[in-house]
Amino acid sequence: DAKTTQPNSMESNEEEPVHLPCNHSTISGTDYIHWYRQLPSQGPEYVIHGLTSNVNNRMASLAIAEDRKSSTLILHRATLRDAAVYYCILFYSGGSNYKLTFGKGTLLTVNP
Amino acid sequence: GAGVSQTPSNKVTEKGKYVELRCDPISGHTALYWYRQSLGQGPEFLIYFQGTGAADDSGLPNDRFFAVRPEGSVSTLKIQRTERGDSAVYLCASSTGRNYEQYFGPGTRLTVT
Repeated sequence: DAKTTQPNSMESNEEEPVHLPCNHSTISGTDYIHWYRQLPSQGPEYVIHGLTSNVNNRMASLAIAEDRKSSTLILHRATLRDAAVYYCILFYSGGSNYKLTFGKGTLLTVNP
Repeated sequence: GAGVSQTPSNKVTEKGKYVELRCDPISGHTALYWYRQSLGQGPEFLIYFQGTGAADDSGLPNDRFFAVRPEGSVSTLKIQRTERGDSAVYLCASSTGRNYEQYFGPGTRLTVT
């Protein structure tokens, strides 16, 4: 499985933007970039995914580098409820690869 | 609408006992997954069902672990002769198909004493 590298932790202030980086230098052309987050004492929650183009949804934006070797999850205005572990996962959506391979993720702390 | 539910939320058992953990997926979701999460780690894949059959059980750690999904909806993860190392949060997820985003339940925290 292609691997991702994320910082162990990041800190932000409430109502400020947050940029969570992810490196995936061994990504293949058919790998999608998925982001999940896990709030304390809850199961992971899908955030967003993309292949090549930048993506936006109600939760966040995903910026993908032109060479696809890195990506950034953007929370436009962090709230206290965004404090969670954020996981960047490469997902090959063809063939038989359907399981999510989680790393340790980035623990985001949001200060009031 | 109703999300993925898991019961019990917490289970404490003695070493050597048998336990069953239940997962109710979102209605209509054909794909169901079990993961296990140890403290400070990300979830690890255990088994995947497409309908009633286990399409991939390569993540089950040994033959003490078994899971079923007899009618293609509810699934039960069964652990025989529990060991202290089995203590973890067991997460269930479902999706509309194997290539779509997965919706996770809150997990069952298993403690083996």
